[in-house]
Amino acid sequence: QTVVTQEPSFSVSPGETITLTCGLSSGSVSTSHSPSWYQQTPGQAPRTLIYSTNTRSSGVPDRFSGSIVANKAALTITGVQADDESDYYCMLYMGSGIRVFGGGTKLTVL
Amino acid sequence: EVQLLESGGGLVQPGGSLRLSCAVSGFTFSSYAMSWVRQAPGKGLEWVSIITDSGTKTYYADSVKGRFTISRDNSKNTLYLQLNSLRAEDTAVYFCAKRAVGTGSYHFDDWGQGTLVTVSS
Repeated sequence: QTVVTQEPSFSVSPGETITLTCGLSSGSVSTSHSPSWYQQTPGQAPRTLIYSTNTRSSGVPDRFSGSIVANKAALTITGVQADDESDYYCMLYMGSGIRVFGGGTKLTVL
Repeated sequence: EVQLLESGGGLVQPGGSLRLSCAVSGFTFSSYAMSWVRQAPGKGLEWVSIITDSGTKTYYADSVKGRFTISRDNSKNTLYLQLNSLRAEDTAVYFCAKRAVGTGSYHFDDWGQGTLVTVSS
């Protein structure tokens, strides 16, 4: 069974730069998984941030960026702001129509 | 403006059934694959199922395969999810989501606000 791994939590001070990662329990993440990233605040629907590894969705600030780093998908937030405090989820396409979400990272801005 | 509005959630006993609906507007429904994603209370997102634009192909997560059925009515701009043999672990907010169009685009670009399904005796 495929498990997509993310850091459960991350704490950061405003202005810092952080990188959240998204890996596979077995194997490497590549662009063929078409990684996407979603931001969610409590009680709200997810918001699409990044798709196809590194393409920002419309209206997403350019301080959010996506990449592949060391066999994992990565979401980098440059100059974290207070309202970036949210849950962040990656999703990987596993082929044959199947998607899998990671467990999510709870980002706390100190 | 794209809008997705889920309905049909509620309290159901274990072993029971429920049908969720997602009424959409603001885009050409018949041109997009559509999906269901759920989120148990206090937990993360879980992809559940997806259906192609024409409705001819469907795919499911292992956790719901054989119990849930996704369908759509393009004449009514509505997506459905039939939930059968419900278990306590199916308790979740169920979101409908629109798959983005384009070759190599597998993500979701619009989401509904969700409908809560509670499975309990």
